[in-house]
Amino acid sequence: AQSVTQLDSHVSVSEGTPVLLRCNYSSSYSPSLFWYVQHPNKGLQLLLKYTSAATLVKGINGFEAEFKKSETSFHLTKPSAHMSDAAEYFCVVTISGSARQLTFGSGTQLTVLP
Amino acid sequence: KAGVTQTPRYLIKTRGQQVTLSCSPISGHRSVSWYQQTPGQGLQFLFEYFSETQRNKGNFPGRFSGRQFSNSRSEMNVSTLELGDSALYLCASKRSSGGWNTELYTEAFFGQGTRLTVV
Repeated sequence: AQSVTQLDSHVSVSEGTPVLLRCNYSSSYSPSLFWYVQHPNKGLQLLLKYTSAATLVKGINGFEAEFKKSETSFHLTKPSAHMSDAAEYFCVVTISGSARQLTFGSGTQLTVLP
Repeated sequence: KAGVTQTPRYLIKTRGQQVTLSCSPISGHRSVSWYQQTPGQGLQFLFEYFSETQRNKGNFPGRFSGRQFSNSRSEMNVSTLELGDSALYLCASKRSSGGWNTELYTEAFFGQGTRLTVV
């Protein structure tokens, strides 16, 4: 079965400094991977997705993620954090055969300090 | 283009009652999924519908059920509510052709959710 592990439940950065949110996946098959963001009392918004076309994926709001098969990782990064980035971030995996079901990581709460 | 619309946004129910939540997907999207979000369990898959048929079901008791209409709108129902059913219920829609491979890389679009409180 596929699973996804977000290595940090909370990350705190200062405004203007880099952001790194870590995600490792477990899958016997070639996965598709997504990062979603959830602001308080809101639904989930797609940041970016990995579709096997390229290992470095660029998303919205300056976020990007790199798929590393050898490390089974899909870490999310941003060069410079903004106050509006404060939210909860979810790494999500689907695999062929279960593509109709998203499996979510436990989430990483990002705090951005002024 | 309108997004995924969930109604109502907030609900307060009493233990033992039943509740129906509604989801209108993005126009043209035929796949609708439901997820439960709680602080303790995180986001968990409930079920997924495509063309009025349930294609996939998560590990939830039979008190949780759903259906999809011919216009792709979906409802989920929870009967005999328990305190533990208090959660944010999220609906997601996908543009789906029905094929496994194309769906693998198709993103889901989420509504803002229905916050259900059981007292």
